Amino acid sequence: AQKVTQAQTEISVVEKEDVTLDCVYETRDTTYYLFWYKQPPSGELVFLIRRNSFDEQNEISGRYSWNFQKSTSSFNFTITASQVVDSAVYFCALSPNAGNNRKLIWGLGTSLAVNP
Amino acid sequence: NAGVTQTPKFQVLKTGQSMTLQCAQDMNHEYMSWYRQDPGMGLRLIHYSVGAGITDQGEVPNGYNVSRSTTEDFPLRLLSAAPSQTSVYFCASSYPWGGGTYEQYFGPGTRLTVT
Repeated sequence: AQKVTQAQTEISVVEKEDVTLDCVYETRDTTYYLFWYKQPPSGELVFLIRRNSFDEQNEISGRYSWNFQKSTSSFNFTITASQVVDSAVYFCALSPNAGNNRKLIWGLGTSLAVNP
Repeated sequence: NAGVTQTPKFQVLKTGQSMTLQCAQDMNHEYMSWYRQDPGMGLRLIHYSVGAGITDQGEVPNGYNVSRSTTEDFPLRLLSAAPSQTSVYFCASSYPWGGGTYEQYFGPGTRLTVT
């Protein structure tokens, strides 16, 4: 079975706190891709990062960082020193790369509220 | 580049009516897809296309038709609207998936209400 689980439905933090959004995935494929998308209150979906299964290096982009661990099938997302503008729903997604499968498998999202 | 555009932004239909949601992209992407987003259910794939003339069903295709006559356009047709089709619809596009997997670019969404 292929699945993405975002166990945290809602998180609420105070501005400047660090926050980690969890993503656990299931796949039998050896080659796959993982994504994070952001959906702010305005409703559009914004791509944040793509990671392939052979690259376990952590990635940092400004206040955002991602921790990919194949051993635990997790691809967690941390926001350091959160800001009100980070308030959004964040989605983790899995793209298996078997054959012609071109479909993304989405988690249900984590709603992050950053309060001033 | 305008990216991915969708029209209309909002639509109210009566049960049984039909309509077409428009989607266009100007990035020469081969892959295009339609999702619906419902509270508590995340994003669900309706139909997708890997190029002009080629379409396939996603997770929830019933009640919807698509066609892809050009690279740029990928309209979604609701044949006979039902209240269960009340949702937010997103169109997305990306580069070819073969040999790698690329991020999808999303349109702004269409909020559809069926009464």
